[in-house]
Amino acid sequence: DTAVSQTPKYLVTQMGNDKSIKCEQNLGHDTMYWYKQDSKKFLKIMFSYNNKELIINETVPNRFSPKSPDKAHLNLHINSLELGDSAVYFCASSRTSGVSTDTQYFGPGTRLTVL
Amino acid sequence: EDQVTQSPEALRLQEGESSSLNCSYTVSGLRGLFWYRQDPGKGPEFLFTLYSAGEEKEKERLKATLTKKESFLHITAPKPEDSATYLCAVGYGGATNKLIFGTGTLLAVQP
Repeated sequence: DTAVSQTPKYLVTQMGNDKSIKCEQNLGHDTMYWYKQDSKKFLKIMFSYNNKELIINETVPNRFSPKSPDKAHLNLHINSLELGDSAVYFCASSRTSGVSTDTQYFGPGTRLTVL
Repeated sequence: EDQVTQSPEALRLQEGESSSLNCSYTVSGLRGLFWYRQDPGKGPEFLFTLYSAGEEKEKERLKATLTKKESFLHITAPKPEDSATYLCAVGYGGATNKLIFGTGTLLAVQP
């Protein structure tokens, strides 16, 4: 019954490694998002895809690359991981691409720790 | 500068002691204001969406209100299970069409 799911829940890795986080939603929504939550609990949007098309691309290092194989899935690949990438990453989805008006539903998060 | 500020940062209440959380915003062209609840180790859980000044929404012990400059989340007779971080997010229009989150209020309700 999970609406927005993410894997893995925890990810511990060494600096310089490449890792991926996967997200799936079964709500039938058109739009999906990636957010980063830092240690102060501040949530900041990174990317948004609407029907597999990138619509929001915030100021994020090129090492971060989102990929949407279909509108129910949005993955986040991170190259050459750095200490500062340690955070909780949340996936979210909304019915439409109305970012500022449409309710977004969040996944459980992936806690990434870079050593 | 577009900004969302929540206060207080932390609030400790006794069970049954009603209070309010504040979310003030300075954005041009509010499109929607969202309240979420976040429990430790979990993702934000949607509570309410408000779209225009004067609008109010209720759910159990929670009531959200909206003015042109701020929103309040009123908690009536809270229970320990209401303990969580409450996040406010503001959607605004223009070219950016973004959602900005506040840093949250950590609520602890003691029995």
